[in-house]
Amino acid sequence: GQQVMQIPQYQHVQEGEDFTTYCNSSTTLSNIQWYKQRPGGHPVFLIQLVKSGEVKKQKRLTFQFGEAKKNSSLHITATQTTDVGTYFCAGAYNFNKFYFGSGTKLNVKP
Amino acid sequence: DAGVTQSPTHLIKTRGQHVTLRCSPISGHKSVSWYQQVLGQGPQFIFQYYEKEERGRGNFPDRFSARQFPNYSSELNVNALLLGDSALYLCASSGLPTGTGANVLTFGAGSRLTVL
Repeated sequence: GQQVMQIPQYQHVQEGEDFTTYCNSSTTLSNIQWYKQRPGGHPVFLIQLVKSGEVKKQKRLTFQFGEAKKNSSLHITATQTTDVGTYFCAGAYNFNKFYFGSGTKLNVKP
Repeated sequence: DAGVTQSPTHLIKTRGQHVTLRCSPISGHKSVSWYQQVLGQGPQFIFQYYEKEERGRGNFPDRFSARQFPNYSSELNVNALLLGDSALYLCASSGLPTGTGANVLTFGAGSRLTVL
């Protein structure tokens, strides 16, 4: 069935190091969204990617959508302690309901 | 402006009982989606409603049902609770109907259900 896989499950970094999380789908996605969930909180929308090969930046965050629209990545440059949380991708097929990945839990040591 | 509000925030039930969770979307939003988030996992889609009609259903048993009211608020009902139903239930509202490609989800804080 339709499923979005996300790796890694956990990532521990030293403050200032970079971080990347990856999402992959076996079938072509119509669009993909990224969310951040702080410990004890709820998912908060970060960005949406729709076009093949699209790249979007938000300050230290860079989001990419693959050419085949089957994979996506989120890269954080020079992590800060405020980046701590779990990052989820959510892929859609035919712009309909979203399938969330299992998330990557980021821990940043000061 | 109030965001997405959910009630109750926490509740404890025993196996076999029934639960009703409530959600009020952002003012002006007509679409409400329900997600189940088990600890350590990503949210799993349960239902989506738009303009009071069911627009999507995830892979959940018939014990799960939902409805949307004329004011666009929504209820999620779960019958015959099982231990495995223990989870954070998230409601998300969006302003646009499905299929538009701009269906950004705004989540509420969730209702944490514990089944004993």
